[in-house]
Amino acid sequence: EAQVTQNPRYLITVTGKKLTVTCSQNMNHEYMSWYRQDPGLGLRQIYYSMNVEVTDKGDVPEGYKVSRKEKRNFPLILESPSPNQTSLYFCASSPVGGLAYVNEQFFGPGTRLTVL
Amino acid sequence: AQTVTQSQPEMSVQEAETVTLSCTYDTSESDYYLFWYKQPPSRQMILVIRQEAYKQQNATENRFSVNFQKAAKSFSLKISDSQLGDAAMYFCALNRDDKIIFGKGTRLHILP
Repeated sequence: EAQVTQNPRYLITVTGKKLTVTCSQNMNHEYMSWYRQDPGLGLRQIYYSMNVEVTDKGDVPEGYKVSRKEKRNFPLILESPSPNQTSLYFCASSPVGGLAYVNEQFFGPGTRLTVL
Repeated sequence: AQTVTQSQPEMSVQEAETVTLSCTYDTSESDYYLFWYKQPPSRQMILVIRQEAYKQQNATENRFSVNFQKAAKSFSLKISDSQLGDAAMYFCALNRDDKIIFGKGTRLHILP
């Protein structure tokens, strides 16, 4: 089954404790991206990657890191989480091509993160 | 800068009726994609419909259709014969190259 998986689905942590949210896709998509969703703000792009070893900042990259060592995986790293990073996080992947490059996004199930 | 505006935070519609969700956007590009995504209470993001900017014909997917006005930078979603399962948050999104911009969403309630 074609899918994007994220782990963990729920996480409660404390300020300053490093954490990683994993994301993996089995569709051989070039493009992967992380978003955070907050009430009243919609989805905001954190980081994205057009291919292996290529990553770029989205609109809200502060406090986050990513890596793309393999095509299928795109982990999100919070080196020192803070309460304002409490949010719902989505990973997404997409094929690349056509006039506008990034096509339909396939989303993971989301990770609910709470930082105390 | 690219922006996407959904001016209706919440809407309600009677079951079996038709409802239109509005979306306006701003971009200096001529080639781009526009999307509507649905997010039901399960939180899963589901693609509803897609429109390529170079196509003049409005996209249609069963009960869902769009009114794409490129000059006005407007991209509204019409849901016909509304069903209880249509209750969700709906997001409009703009793709161009490697950037994706989402609107803040419209929560749609279906009244039985």
